Amino acid sequence: KAGVTQTPRYLIKTRGQQVTLSCSPISGHRSVSWYQQTPGQGLQFLFEYFSETQRNKGNFPGRFSGRQFSNSRSEMNVSTLELGDSALYLCASLGQGEAFFGQGTRLTVV
Amino acid sequence: GQQLNQSPQSMFIQEGEDVSMNCTSSSIFNTWLWYKQDPGEGPVLLIALYKAGELTSNGRLTAQFGITRKDSFLNISASIPSDVGIYFCAGQGSVNAGKSTFGDGTTLTVKP
Repeated sequence: KAGVTQTPRYLIKTRGQQVTLSCSPISGHRSVSWYQQTPGQGLQFLFEYFSETQRNKGNFPGRFSGRQFSNSRSEMNVSTLELGDSALYLCASLGQGEAFFGQGTRLTVV
Repeated sequence: GQQLNQSPQSMFIQEGEDVSMNCTSSSIFNTWLWYKQDPGEGPVLLIALYKAGELTSNGRLTAQFGITRKDSFLNISASIPSDVGIYFCAGQGSVNAGKSTFGDGTTLTVKP
Protein backbone atom coordinates (compact mmCIF):
# COMPACT_ATOMS: atom_id res chain seq x y z
CA LYS A 1 0.00 0.00 0.00
CA ALA A 2 1.50 3.32 -1.07
CA GLY A 3 2.36 5.86 1.58
CA VAL A 4 1.80 9.59 1.66
CA THR A 5 3.24 11.33 -1.38
CA GLN A 6 4.23 14.97 -1.33
CA THR A 7 5.42 16.93 -4.34
CA PRO A 8 7.71 18.59 -5.00
CA ARG A 9 10.39 17.55 -2.50
CA TYR A 10 12.31 20.79 -2.82
CA LEU A 11 11.34 24.25 -3.96
CA ILE A 12 13.06 27.62 -4.11
CA LYS A 13 10.95 30.75 -4.50
CA THR A 14 11.54 34.46 -4.20
CA ARG A 15 9.79 36.83 -1.84
CA GLY A 16 6.39 37.92 -3.06
CA GLN A 17 5.78 34.85 -5.19
CA GLN A 18 3.19 32.24 -4.46
CA VAL A 19 3.59 28.48 -4.17
CA THR A 20 1.38 25.41 -4.36
CA LEU A 21 2.30 22.14 -2.67
CA SER A 22 0.59 18.82 -3.26
CA CYS A 23 -0.18 15.83 -1.06
CA SER A 24 -1.68 12.47 -1.97
CA PRO A 25 -2.81 10.59 1.15
CA ILE A 26 -2.81 6.86 1.73
CA SER A 27 -5.48 5.16 -0.33
CA GLY A 28 -8.75 5.10 1.58
CA HIS A 29 -7.80 7.92 3.95
CA ARG A 30 -10.11 10.91 3.71
CA SER A 31 -8.41 13.28 6.13
CA VAL A 32 -5.30 15.28 5.29
CA SER A 33 -3.52 17.64 7.67
CA TRP A 34 -0.75 20.10 6.92
CA TYR A 35 2.06 21.16 9.23
CA GLN A 36 4.90 23.65 9.02
CA GLN A 37 8.20 22.62 10.59
CA THR A 38 10.93 25.15 11.36
CA PRO A 39 13.92 24.92 13.70
CA GLY A 40 12.60 27.72 15.86
CA GLN A 41 8.91 26.87 16.06
CA GLY A 42 8.87 23.10 15.70
CA LEU A 43 5.87 21.42 14.12
CA GLN A 44 2.94 23.79 13.82
CA PHE A 45 -0.50 22.74 12.64
CA LEU A 46 -1.78 24.60 9.58
CA PHE A 47 -5.13 23.01 8.72
CA GLU A 48 -6.97 19.75 8.20
CA TYR A 49 -9.27 18.73 5.39
CA PHE A 50 -11.83 15.97 5.49
CA SER A 51 -14.09 15.10 2.58
CA GLU A 52 -13.16 18.30 0.75
CA THR A 53 -14.03 20.51 3.75
CA GLN A 54 -11.68 22.31 6.11
CA ARG A 55 -12.31 20.73 9.51
CA ASN A 56 -9.63 22.38 11.65
CA LYS A 57 -7.47 25.43 11.25
CA GLY A 58 -4.32 26.57 13.00
CA ASN A 59 -3.11 30.07 13.76
CA PHE A 60 -1.58 31.04 10.45
CA PRO A 61 -2.32 34.16 8.39
CA GLY A 62 -4.72 34.11 5.48
CA ARG A 63 -1.80 33.84 3.03
CA PHE A 64 -1.86 30.14 3.86
CA SER A 65 -4.75 28.28 2.31
CA GLY A 66 -5.61 24.80 1.20
CA ARG A 67 -8.13 22.63 -0.49
CA GLN A 68 -8.98 19.00 -0.95
CA PHE A 69 -10.26 17.26 -4.03
CA SER A 70 -12.82 14.48 -4.38
CA ASN A 71 -10.04 11.88 -4.61
CA SER A 72 -8.73 13.13 -1.20
CA ARG A 73 -5.61 14.69 -2.71
CA SER A 74 -4.88 18.02 -1.09
CA GLU A 75 -3.02 21.15 -2.03
CA MET A 76 -1.81 24.01 0.09
CA ASN A 77 -1.04 27.43 -1.24
CA VAL A 78 1.05 30.21 0.21
CA SER A 79 0.71 33.62 -1.40
CA THR A 80 3.02 36.62 -1.13
CA LEU A 81 5.87 34.56 0.23
CA GLU A 82 8.02 35.92 3.02
CA LEU A 83 11.51 34.84 4.08
CA GLY A 84 10.03 33.41 7.28
CA ASP A 85 7.93 30.98 5.26
CA SER A 86 11.04 28.92 4.58
CA ALA A 87 10.32 25.59 6.22
CA LEU A 88 9.61 21.92 5.76
CA TYR A 89 5.91 21.52 4.97
CA LEU A 90 4.55 18.17 6.03
CA CYS A 91 1.33 16.52 5.07
CA ALA A 92 -0.27 13.84 7.23
CA SER A 93 -2.82 11.25 6.18
CA LEU A 94 -5.16 10.27 8.99
CA GLY A 95 -6.49 6.77 9.52
CA GLN A 96 -8.02 5.25 12.68
CA GLY A 97 -6.66 8.09 14.80
CA GLU A 98 -3.09 7.67 13.60
CA ALA A 99 -1.39 10.27 11.41
CA PHE A 100 1.08 9.08 8.78
CA PHE A 101 3.42 11.71 7.38
CA GLY A 102 4.88 12.22 3.95
CA GLN A 103 8.53 13.14 3.41
CA GLY A 104 7.65 16.80 3.20
CA THR A 105 8.37 19.64 0.82
CA ARG A 106 11.39 21.77 1.70
CA LEU A 107 10.52 25.36 0.73
CA THR A 108 13.24 27.96 0.64
CA VAL A 109 12.28 31.60 0.13
CA VAL A 110 15.07 33.88 -1.03
CA GLY B 1 -3.87 27.17 23.32
CA GLN B 2 -2.60 23.69 24.14
CA GLN B 3 1.13 23.36 24.76
CA LEU B 4 3.35 20.38 25.22
CA ASN B 5 6.56 20.40 27.21
CA GLN B 6 8.89 17.68 26.03
CA SER B 7 12.06 16.79 27.89
CA PRO B 8 14.89 16.40 27.73
CA GLN B 9 15.70 18.54 24.73
CA SER B 10 18.69 16.36 23.85
CA MET B 11 20.41 13.23 25.07
CA PHE B 12 23.86 11.78 24.47
CA ILE B 13 24.07 8.14 25.48
CA GLN B 14 26.25 5.09 25.03
CA GLU B 15 25.08 2.22 22.88
CA GLY B 16 23.26 -0.32 25.03
CA GLU B 17 21.91 2.20 27.52
CA ASP B 18 18.22 2.76 28.16
CA VAL B 19 16.57 6.07 27.33
CA SER B 20 13.56 7.81 28.78
CA MET B 21 11.81 10.95 27.57
CA ASN B 22 8.49 12.49 28.49
CA CYS B 23 5.88 15.04 27.61
CA THR B 24 3.56 17.02 29.83
CA SER B 25 0.64 19.15 28.88
CA SER B 26 -1.42 21.88 30.46
CA SER B 27 -4.50 20.31 28.87
CA ILE B 28 -6.03 16.86 28.68
CA PHE B 29 -5.45 14.81 25.56
CA ASN B 30 -7.45 11.81 24.38
CA THR B 31 -4.64 10.38 22.25
CA TRP B 32 -0.87 10.46 22.63
CA LEU B 33 1.42 9.67 19.73
CA TRP B 34 5.19 9.20 19.58
CA TYR B 35 7.13 9.81 16.37
CA LYS B 36 10.75 9.56 15.22
CA GLN B 37 12.13 11.83 12.54
CA ASP B 38 15.33 11.25 10.60
CA PRO B 39 17.05 14.13 8.77
CA GLY B 40 15.28 15.09 5.57
CA GLU B 41 12.34 12.81 6.24
CA GLY B 42 8.87 13.15 7.67
CA PRO B 43 8.05 11.87 11.18
CA VAL B 44 7.37 8.15 11.43
CA LEU B 45 4.77 6.93 13.91
CA LEU B 46 6.26 4.68 16.60
CA ILE B 47 3.47 4.18 19.12
CA ALA B 48 -0.12 5.39 19.52
CA LEU B 49 -1.88 5.48 22.90
CA TYR B 50 -5.64 5.87 23.23
CA LYS B 51 -6.52 5.21 26.86
CA ALA B 52 -5.38 6.72 30.15
CA GLY B 53 -3.01 4.34 31.90
CA GLU B 54 -2.33 2.39 28.71
CA LEU B 55 1.15 0.91 28.41
CA THR B 56 2.15 -0.16 24.91
CA SER B 57 5.32 -1.70 23.52
CA ASN B 58 6.77 -1.81 20.04
CA GLY B 59 9.96 -3.87 20.12
CA ARG B 60 12.46 -2.06 22.34
CA LEU B 61 10.11 0.91 22.69
CA THR B 62 7.58 1.29 25.47
CA ALA B 63 5.23 4.21 25.93
CA GLN B 64 2.59 5.02 28.52
CA PHE B 65 -0.44 7.29 28.54
CA GLY B 66 -0.51 9.05 31.90
CA ILE B 67 -3.44 8.54 34.26
CA THR B 68 -4.15 12.27 34.37
CA ARG B 69 -4.21 12.31 30.52
CA LYS B 70 -1.79 15.22 30.68
CA ASP B 71 1.44 13.33 30.23
CA SER B 72 3.16 10.48 28.44
CA PHE B 73 6.58 8.91 28.42
CA LEU B 74 8.63 6.92 25.94
CA ASN B 75 11.34 4.45 26.92
CA ILE B 76 13.90 2.91 24.59
CA SER B 77 15.75 -0.07 25.96
CA ALA B 78 19.21 -1.25 24.92
CA SER B 79 19.78 1.63 22.48
CA ILE B 80 21.54 1.02 19.17
CA PRO B 81 23.14 3.49 16.73
CA SER B 82 20.10 3.54 14.42
CA ASP B 83 18.00 4.95 17.28
CA VAL B 84 19.64 8.30 16.53
CA GLY B 85 17.11 10.93 15.51
CA ILE B 86 14.57 13.36 16.86
CA TYR B 87 11.67 11.96 18.86
CA PHE B 88 8.42 13.89 19.07
CA CYS B 89 5.41 13.45 21.25
CA ALA B 90 2.05 14.61 19.96
CA GLY B 91 -1.33 14.95 21.60
CA GLN B 92 -4.78 14.95 20.07
CA GLY B 93 -7.84 16.40 21.70
CA SER B 94 -10.17 13.79 20.29
CA VAL B 95 -9.82 10.40 18.60
CA ASN B 96 -9.54 10.66 14.82
CA ALA B 97 -8.84 14.39 15.09
CA GLY B 98 -6.64 15.64 12.31
CA LYS B 99 -5.02 18.25 14.52
CA SER B 100 -2.09 17.20 16.65
CA THR B 101 -0.12 19.38 19.03
CA PHE B 102 3.56 18.50 18.96
CA GLY B 103 6.30 18.75 21.55
CA ASP B 104 9.57 20.41 20.55
CA GLY B 105 11.35 17.08 20.21
CA THR B 106 14.15 15.19 21.93
CA THR B 107 17.33 14.80 19.90
CA LEU B 108 18.96 11.46 20.64
CA THR B 109 22.62 10.75 19.93
CA VAL B 110 23.94 7.23 20.49
CA LYS B 111 27.67 6.70 20.76
CA PRO B 112 28.89 3.28 19.61
